[in-house]
Amino acid sequence: LAKTTQPISMDSYEGQEVNITCSHNNIATNDYITWYQQFPSQGPRFIIQGYKTKVTNEVASLFIPADRKSSTLSLPRVSLSDTAVYYCLVGDKGLTGGGNKLTFGTGTQLKVEL
Amino acid sequence: DAGVTQSPTHLIKTRGQHVTLRCSPISGHKSVSWYQQVLGQGPQFIFQYYEKEERGRGNFPDRFSARQFPNYSSELNVNALLLGDSALYLCASSLSPGGNQPQHFGDGTRLSIL
Repeated sequence: LAKTTQPISMDSYEGQEVNITCSHNNIATNDYITWYQQFPSQGPRFIIQGYKTKVTNEVASLFIPADRKSSTLSLPRVSLSDTAVYYCLVGDKGLTGGGNKLTFGTGTQLKVEL
Repeated sequence: DAGVTQSPTHLIKTRGQHVTLRCSPISGHKSVSWYQQVLGQGPQFIFQYYEKEERGRGNFPDRFSARQFPNYSSELNVNALLLGDSALYLCASSLSPGGNQPQHFGDGTRLSIL
């Protein structure tokens, strides 16, 4: 089973770049890595997804090394509103009958201060 | 376009009762997944359905069941409720199953068991 590991918490200041790393040693060959942001009492919100190398969109970048056993979410110039829990999600093929079992990471609580 | 909608938003039940939670996916999405999120933890995968068939199942007891309808909406049923079933139940939809498609989450149903 794919298992993901993230730092429990991180602190930053407004305007800084934040990098959050997720370890996923058993990622399946055809699976992508997806990052989500979650605020209290809301559902997770999609941030970015990638398979390998680097992906960038208007809010974040995702760096994935060649072995794909980890990934790093990079948030440029964070603001107070980026204070949230960030999850790394890796698609995992189920052990029985080819079903899909999707596994969230432990989540990283990012706190941004002035 | 409407996002994923879940009903009800809040629900209070007592031990031993049964509950049905409902989810309407984003238009065009054929895959629906259910997650349980206990306070302070990441979402835990319960089920995934695609084209009305179960495609994945997490480590939950048989008291948990689900189904998907021809219009791709879905229900999660929980029987013989226990205090430990108190959680935020999240529904997510995607174009297709597996870790290769971003999932879009609703804001969940907050279930409280007394």
